[in-house]
Amino acid sequence: AQSVTQPDIHITVSEGASLELRCNYSYGATPYLFWYVQSPGQGLQLLLKYFSGDTLVQGIKGFEAEFKRSQSSFNLRKPSVHWSDAAEYFCAVGPLSGGGADGLTFGKGTHLIIQP
Amino acid sequence: DTGVSQNPRHKITKRGQNVTFRCDPISEHNRLYWYRQTLGQGPEFLTYFQNEAQLEKSRLLSDRFSAERPKGSFSTLEIQRTEQGDSAMYLCASRDSGRAGEQYFGPGTRLTVT
Repeated sequence: AQSVTQPDIHITVSEGASLELRCNYSYGATPYLFWYVQSPGQGLQLLLKYFSGDTLVQGIKGFEAEFKRSQSSFNLRKPSVHWSDAAEYFCAVGPLSGGGADGLTFGKGTHLIIQP
Repeated sequence: DTGVSQNPRHKITKRGQNVTFRCDPISEHNRLYWYRQTLGQGPEFLTYFQNEAQLEKSRLLSDRFSAERPKGSFSTLEIQRTEQGDSAMYLCASRDSGRAGEQYFGPGTRLTVT
């Protein structure tokens, strides 16, 4: 069964500093990989996705992520964070099984706190 | 594009009561998903539909849970005989089956069972 690990439950970063959120996955094949962001009272918003091809993918709001097959990782980065980036970030992998279902498997999330 | 909508946004119910939630997906999306999210956890997949057909159910979906999508548009999720452990955020997502994997989420329905 596939799984997603986000090792950091909370991360605190100063405004303007760089950010890296870690994500490791366990999956039997090349997965589809996603990063979502969830702000209080808001639904999950897709930041970026990786299906194939270039291992460095660009997303919205200045985020990027790099797929590293050898490390089973898909870490999220941003060169300079803004106070509005404070939120919960989820890494996800799909599809759920080889039977054609495509529900996503999510990590437990990383809570990002921005210090002024 | 009005996005995925869910109603109600909040529901408080007493243990043993039945509740029903509604999800309206993005209109051209033929796939619709239900997830459950408890405090401090990521969303967990419950079930999904392709048009009106329910194609997959997670083992999390006990027999007290039932989901329908009768005309391939909106969907309902019903929980019978609610238990305190059912307290969670219930999320709906949809996607166009022609765009692999990219699911669009609604704001969720927060259920509190007292």
